[in-house]
Amino acid sequence: QKEVEQDPGPLSVPEGAIVSLNCTYSNSAFQYFMWYRQYSRKGPELLMYTYSSGNKEDGRFTAQVDKSSKYISLFIRDSQPSDSATYLCAIGRGAQKLVFGQGTRLTINP
Amino acid sequence: EPEVTQTPSHQVTQMGQEVILRCVPISNHLYFYWYRQILGQKVEFLVSFYNNEISEKSEIFDDQFSVERPDGSNFTLKIRSTKLEDSAMYFCASRVGEQFFGPGTRLTVL
Repeated sequence: QKEVEQDPGPLSVPEGAIVSLNCTYSNSAFQYFMWYRQYSRKGPELLMYTYSSGNKEDGRFTAQVDKSSKYISLFIRDSQPSDSATYLCAIGRGAQKLVFGQGTRLTINP
Repeated sequence: EPEVTQTPSHQVTQMGQEVILRCVPISNHLYFYWYRQILGQKVEFLVSFYNNEISEKSEIFDDQFSVERPDGSNFTLKIRSTKLEDSAMYFCASRVGEQFFGPGTRLTVL
């Protein structure tokens, strides 16, 4: 079983739609959960970072963690063409490595 | 805003040659990492570095790889004898809490 699983997409939605991106993980020892955005041939850019189960909101972005189900989500409200990118979930524990999902390629159509 | 920087942005080398990839982490960060991403694949952990020594390394990080923090600011990844399969984007990251990534070095081995 993979440590982190993420649907690679691609996902294409119209501008203004609500986007839902998801990952599952297998090891309950993981403590923190991140979402990164990556444009083509660029470095991952941190979007959201959370430790606990529940929701964390930042502008149009909401990160949701359900530790009991080992399931994390990122919601994007009022999606914009500039949100088109690959979204990576990553999970970690302490100062150890991050384990990344495959990434979901998202396109927002004007 | 502080950021992780990496040089060069693109390195082309012949198989069997040595390459050194350079990173300047964010100045007050204590933990440093190298990851790589082969085109179309997920971001993979290579090595973590803390207090001037390797704290964790992956199976990928074999004897051909080494890391060094030669002074108070730089963090380097050396590949001693490059192989075709080393062609990838290499990302440096640093952290106090969450990990911040640099823009990457694209390594092409011919």
